[in-house]
Amino acid sequence: NAGVMQNPRHLVRRRGQEARLRCSPMKGHSHVYWYRQLPEEGLKFMVYLQKENIIDESGMPKERFSAEFPKEGPSILRIQQVVRGDSAAYFCASSPRAQETQYFGPGTRLLVL
Amino acid sequence: GEDVEQSLFLSVREGDSSVINCTYTDSSSTYLYWYKQEPGAGLQLLTYIFSNMDMKQDQRLTVLLNKKDKHLSLRIADTQTGDSAIYFCAEGTGRRALTFGSGTRLQVQP
Repeated sequence: NAGVMQNPRHLVRRRGQEARLRCSPMKGHSHVYWYRQLPEEGLKFMVYLQKENIIDESGMPKERFSAEFPKEGPSILRIQQVVRGDSAAYFCASSPRAQETQYFGPGTRLLVL
Repeated sequence: GEDVEQSLFLSVREGDSSVINCTYTDSSSTYLYWYKQEPGAGLQLLTYIFSNMDMKQDQRLTVLLNKKDKHLSLRIADTQTGDSAIYFCAEGTGRRALTFGSGTRLQVQP
């Protein structure tokens, strides 16, 4: 049973470009969570999705950031017009049901030049 | 709002026990977790404890929970160099999202 998959593992973008981060949850998991880790800090919650629905986006910046989890395919975290402050590690986690243990992917490390 | 705090750094000698401490503020926390992060890697779930428990032991790991003081600790017995990593405490409630501490960097000296 493969774990949570994220790609790409590393992503370099210039200021103003778009970044798309993908997350495939563990088999049988329909709940996906995105977290951001700034250098030397802990993880901060961004958004929680269930298939085709955003359940909680209270940690998501109001502009430039969006997330989706379509019926088919991976969850996507999209950052438009990236700025240097977006440089961070973005982690995805999944769980089989709400309020159950979250299992994390390896992360995508975004560097904005 | 909810807050989770940890000391930043701990250094121990190989073979000694390590104790990593964590305090949290949300009294409605249901589960408390310990995750391990090695350099450049994701988070590995080490163990968790339900809020109505005082202690949980799993091989070399012992978790102690003092709910009155909102204090959680992780004890690693016979610490090895492979245990060197950052350890994150996290709390979860019915809100679904986890709240993480800033992590404790454990350095194990041979």
